[in-house]
Amino acid sequence: GAGVSQTPSNKVTEKGKYVELRCDPISGHTALYWYRQSLGQGPEFLIYFQGTGAADDSGLPNDRFFAVRPEGSVSTLKIQRTERGDSAVYLCASSPHLGWGYTFGSGTRLTVV
Amino acid sequence: QKEVEQDPGPLSVPEGAIVSLNCTYSNSAFQYFMWYRQYSRKGPELLMYTYSSGNKEDGRFTAQVDKSSKYISLFIRDSQPSDSATYLCAMRLTYSGAGSYQLTFGKGTKLSVIP
Repeated sequence: GAGVSQTPSNKVTEKGKYVELRCDPISGHTALYWYRQSLGQGPEFLIYFQGTGAADDSGLPNDRFFAVRPEGSVSTLKIQRTERGDSAVYLCASSPHLGWGYTFGSGTRLTVV
Repeated sequence: QKEVEQDPGPLSVPEGAIVSLNCTYSNSAFQYFMWYRQYSRKGPELLMYTYSSGNKEDGRFTAQVDKSSKYISLFIRDSQPSDSATYLCAMRLTYSGAGSYQLTFGKGTKLSVIP
């Protein structure tokens, strides 16, 4: 596609539930990144992939968060036992080379009630 | 103290004004500096990037980096209502070790350009 596609655009879930957020990067982009943006804050790094492997997952806040990119294209961010503090916009970006030329998607707005 | 500090505003200016946005940072290892523009309910889009100290100009936008003061600026000349958005500064380390491909963002400054 022309840009980075994230689905769903909005997700409301109950506390304690499991959610999956999907990211379709720009075709041919080998690097993929996840960031989280809380209200009134800048994006905060979560994890990035080079190809299929997670090259740096140091930003994941705890073991409830996990991300995969099994075929080196689409990525899924998975959150177990959601908490109200997980409410935020989850942004995905991709780039043709690691660290350069980021294109961000519009994000998934997650609300945990 | 956060690694990157940015005044969240809001900043309101009349159309045609020169806008000055800035960030300060504490980590002297940052070498790549970027400015992103984010419209409401959209992802950030890259406006400018610079490496190390110096100036860079692109149309109505000028980015400045002063590494000795750990201070970066974005100037917008002849501001337009379409420039109304949140402006985020972001920084990256230069080496290829752990953490080097993460972007560290400021909070963002919300700008309104009034017609």
